[in-house]
Amino acid sequence: QVQLVESGGGVVQPGRSLRLSCAASGFTFSSYGFHWVRQGPGKGLEWVAVISYDGSYYSYADSVKGRFTISRDISKNTLFLQMNSLRAEDTALYYCAKDRYSGTPAPSLPDSWGQGTLVTVSS
Amino acid sequence: QLVLTQSPSASASLGASVKLTCTLSSGHSSFAIAWHQQQPETGPRFLMRLNSDGSHTKGDGIPDRFSGSSSGAERYLDITSLQSEDEADYYCQTWDTGIVLFGGGTKLTVL
Repeated sequence: QVQLVESGGGVVQPGRSLRLSCAASGFTFSSYGFHWVRQGPGKGLEWVAVISYDGSYYSYADSVKGRFTISRDISKNTLFLQMNSLRAEDTALYYCAKDRYSGTPAPSLPDSWGQGTLVTVSS
Repeated sequence: QLVLTQSPSASASLGASVKLTCTLSSGHSSFAIAWHQQQPETGPRFLMRLNSDGSHTKGDGIPDRFSGSSSGAERYLDITSLQSEDEADYYCQTWDTGIVLFGGGTKLTVL
């Protein structure tokens, strides 16, 4: 079955960088787009970024645009989120999610979720 | 501007039914949405995609007790025969060019 396992979270100082990973298994990785979604402490879900199945399309929330980069490595069945210039407000549990539809040029519907990795930005 | 509005909380008794509402902002009443469930201390789970005409497609393994319906800009999640494990946060979600958006979520308490 679909399995998504996030890693790479931790405690980091403001202004520093962190790279999250999401290892995928149980389906054809190269056929699906992916999302990163985060949840701040006691808050709701906030979409962060999306990448298409072939990496040709990507988009970001305004709150992270210019600081975060989503990417994928098909050879490793792994999704990444490079986070630069981190701020306190980036503190959250970060989830990766697979899109529902294969081959979609602009993925928009997460339907399988990981358990998340915690990022804490604090001095 | 595309916005999804949900009531912060709802409650219903064990075995009863409940209808949760998600309202699309003005000018977006034709948009499809999705419903996601998040039980305490777990990652979200996709429940269904719900179209403006009320047709919906559920995720794998989602019980028949969960269904969706639509009326104008309102999208509903109906849960019948409430069970204790239905106590969770429920999020609606939609999308437009270049963006994906979640509602603020409704915390459902099963009494």
